[in-house]
Amino acid sequence: AQRVTQPEKLLSVFKGAPVELKCNYSYSGSPELFWYVQYSRQRLQLLLRHISRESIKGFTADLNKGETSFHLKKPFAQEEDSAMYYCALMYYGGSQGNLIFGKGTKLSVKP
Amino acid sequence: SAVISQKPSRDICQRGTSLTIQCQVDSQVTMMFWYRQQPGQSLTLIATANQGSEATYESGFVIDKFPISRPNLTFSTLTVSNMSPEDSSIYLCSVETGDPLYGYTFGSGTRLTVV
Repeated sequence: AQRVTQPEKLLSVFKGAPVELKCNYSYSGSPELFWYVQYSRQRLQLLLRHISRESIKGFTADLNKGETSFHLKKPFAQEEDSAMYYCALMYYGGSQGNLIFGKGTKLSVKP
Repeated sequence: SAVISQKPSRDICQRGTSLTIQCQVDSQVTMMFWYRQQPGQSLTLIATANQGSEATYESGFVIDKFPISRPNLTFSTLTVSNMSPEDSSIYLCSVETGDPLYGYTFGSGTRLTVV
């Protein structure tokens, strides 16, 4: 069955330090993966998706099919990066695509 | 990308009552998705609402408990019926933006507390 695992509930780093938010997935098909971010009191929003291979707000994520991972990275964390981050997997049942989310990782960037 | 207006943003309800959550999208979309996030858990898909047909429910969710309406291509409602404290969650609606770069967009969520 499809599954998304974010092993860290909370990740705390200092400003300027590198950050890596881990995401592992389980899916028998060809994965389509996303990272979503939710800043305090704001709606959930898409941060990036592996298909577009964009770098948003300095974040990147590489799909590693061998390790079934899609870790989110940023070389130098900023205080405004503090938020909840959700990794999500698109899976297809019939012709319909659905999203399954990990439990989320709370990133806290300290000054 | 599509903008979703979801309401109410929060509510406190008595057990045994029902609450209807509304989602309005600023553009026409084929499918609308309803999610639930229970405390400490990940987002879970409740159902997919297509305009002009019955909603498709995920395992563990039934129409009697979560009836959904989809009267047109820009609007949907989710009702949480005969509520119990276990229904206390954040409920989110979501649509596909149609833009391959931007994936899905989400409403701001409805925080429901059942007492």
